[in-house]
Amino acid sequence: GAVVSQHPSWVICKSGTSVKIECRSLDFQATTMFWYRQFPKQSLMLMATSNEGSKATYEQGVEKDKFLINHASLTLSTLTVTSAHPEDSSFYICSARGRGWSLEQYFGPGTRLTVT
Amino acid sequence: AQRVTQPEKLLSVFKGAPVELKCNYSYSGSPELFWYVQYSRQRLQLLLRHISRESIKGFTADLNKGETSFHLKKPFAQEEDSAMYYCALSGQAAGNKLTFGGGTRVLVKP
Repeated sequence: GAVVSQHPSWVICKSGTSVKIECRSLDFQATTMFWYRQFPKQSLMLMATSNEGSKATYEQGVEKDKFLINHASLTLSTLTVTSAHPEDSSFYICSARGRGWSLEQYFGPGTRLTVT
Repeated sequence: AQRVTQPEKLLSVFKGAPVELKCNYSYSGSPELFWYVQYSRQRLQLLLRHISRESIKGFTADLNKGETSFHLKKPFAQEEDSAMYYCALSGQAAGNKLTFGGGTRVLVKP
């Protein structure tokens, strides 16, 4: 089956620093990748959609300058949380869709970010 | 705008009892509905989608367009069914993006 990995699985950073999270499709080419945020005991909220080779499309209310998304290759997308603050602490999940797929997505295991 | 509602945050049933997770949606157009499951400390994974019309792990779900519902059912719950379940919707009018419901935690007691 299609496998999506994320790195790191958890990260702790100090307030004001930036942190990068990687999302990789291991056995397929991901033409579209999605980034979600999940607060404790809550559902997944889509942050942005990125298509390989083009700029990400952000959902309403998501600061594009704070959450930088790069989808430079068909197997890698990165989310950089810039100038992180404690309120950015959350579980970040990526998913990926392959070329020619209809609506199916495969999810990564998530990255837990804690900003101190 | 599309919306997915899961009215129950927690469902607690005994092993062998039937379980039904409710999901209602609002959408302009022809939606595609999914159920995702997240077991403890595991990633989100697709359980079933309405166009497949198949039963996975004993679960079934029928799309009822008149009632705008996509309830998930299993006649005999097992302890390994304990997990978080999310109903999700997608479609062209939604930009082919997934919109998730709030999730229902299922606890199957022995």
